[in-house]
Amino acid sequence: AQKVTQAQTEISVVEKEDVTLDCVYETRDTTYYLFWYKQPPSGELVFLIRRNSFDEQNEISGRYSWNFQKSTSSFNFTITASQVVDSAVYFCALSEEENFGNEKLTFGTGTRLTIIP
Amino acid sequence: GAVVSQHPSRVICKSGTSVKIECRSLDFQATTMFWYRQFPKQSLMLMATSNEGSKATYEQGVEKDKFLINHASLTLSTLTVTSAHPEDSSFYICSAIINRDGYGYTFGSGTRLTVV
Repeated sequence: AQKVTQAQTEISVVEKEDVTLDCVYETRDTTYYLFWYKQPPSGELVFLIRRNSFDEQNEISGRYSWNFQKSTSSFNFTITASQVVDSAVYFCALSEEENFGNEKLTFGTGTRLTIIP
Repeated sequence: GAVVSQHPSRVICKSGTSVKIECRSLDFQATTMFWYRQFPKQSLMLMATSNEGSKATYEQGVEKDKFLINHASLTLSTLTVTSAHPEDSSFYICSAIINRDGYGYTFGSGTRLTVV
């Protein structure tokens, strides 16, 4: 069964500091997708990134970067020069290709990030 | 593109009544939709997977007679919370698989249900 662990329940950093959110996953499949979503207080989920299991290249998008390491089953997310608008709950999620077209998305427990002005 | 419209965004109902939540895919056809529930300060838990034209598949522990899911068309899935009780108060979110610019999911904006 698939499982996603986000060990950090809450993180607070001062604005402009860098912060890394950890994500560790478990899966028996060789083909899977990993996601990060942001959930601001409004509740809506904001898609941040998707990575498939065959692509271990790290990615950078502005102040956001992701480190995918299959050897440690981790998909960590770093925000550099954090801003108050980054305050939200961040979810890591995993999808396996167990049934084509019916892939379930399993979420981690989320990390509540607070950026202190 | 690939927008899922979810309504209502917020609903308050009396205990014992039923509430219907709708999710519509606006610019694509959603063969499969997922329904999640999120309690305060908790993660999203999958309740059921709905497939157009067939019965929904419920996750273990989710009462299918209480949470009725209908996916009658490729653009509409509904979740009806029947005989709602205060413990059903939660944030409900629908999601659909999309395959544009790569595989992924699109989410509705969520429905905050409060049962009084």
